[in-house]
Amino acid sequence: AQSVTQLDSHVSVSEGTPVLLRCNYSSSYSPSLFWYVQHPNKGLQLLLKYTSAATLVKGINGFEAEFKKSETSFHLTKPSAHMSDAAEYFCVVRHFNYGQNFVFGPGTRLSVLP
Amino acid sequence: EAQVTQNPRYLITVTGKKLTVTCSQNMNHEYMSWYRQDPGLGLRQIYYSMNVEVTDKGDVPEGYKVSRKEKRNFPLILESPSPNQTSLYFCASSTGGDYGYTFGSGTRLTVV
Repeated sequence: AQSVTQLDSHVSVSEGTPVLLRCNYSSSYSPSLFWYVQHPNKGLQLLLKYTSAATLVKGINGFEAEFKKSETSFHLTKPSAHMSDAAEYFCVVRHFNYGQNFVFGPGTRLSVLP
Repeated sequence: EAQVTQNPRYLITVTGKKLTVTCSQNMNHEYMSWYRQDPGLGLRQIYYSMNVEVTDKGDVPEGYKVSRKEKRNFPLILESPSPNQTSLYFCASSTGGDYGYTFGSGTRLTVV
């Protein structure tokens, strides 16, 4: 069965410094992986997705993620944090054989300090 | 504008009083889902639908019902709400495959 682990429940960075949000997945099949962002009191927005093409995926707002099969990881990065990046981030694996069930990780809350 | 619309945004109800949360999408998507979000647990799928009249259980279906009589609408029904169903609920739609879901703005439900 598919599952997602987000290793940090809370990450705090200073504005202008790099961001790293960690995600490990478990999947019986070649997975499809996603990162979603949720700003306070808002819905969820798709940041980027990996679907077995290029292993380095670029998303919106300067975010990137690299799929590493050997490490079963899909970490999210950004070179320079902005105050507007403060939000909750969810790593998601698509349940390949079960319709459109997207399995969400527990989330990582990113704080950006001035 | 392409969107998923949920109503109401906020709802406070009492235990046992039937309620319906509506969801509508204007993108002609085949797939629709309901998720609940609880602190520390991320989002968990309640039910999903692959097309009109085709629905199936997700990971946490107990206490919920859904129907898909029209492609654009996917209401979530709580026949006898209980306090453990207090949560933030999201409806989402997708074309399927690896396109990801488009989410509604959420419905915050409190059952007292």
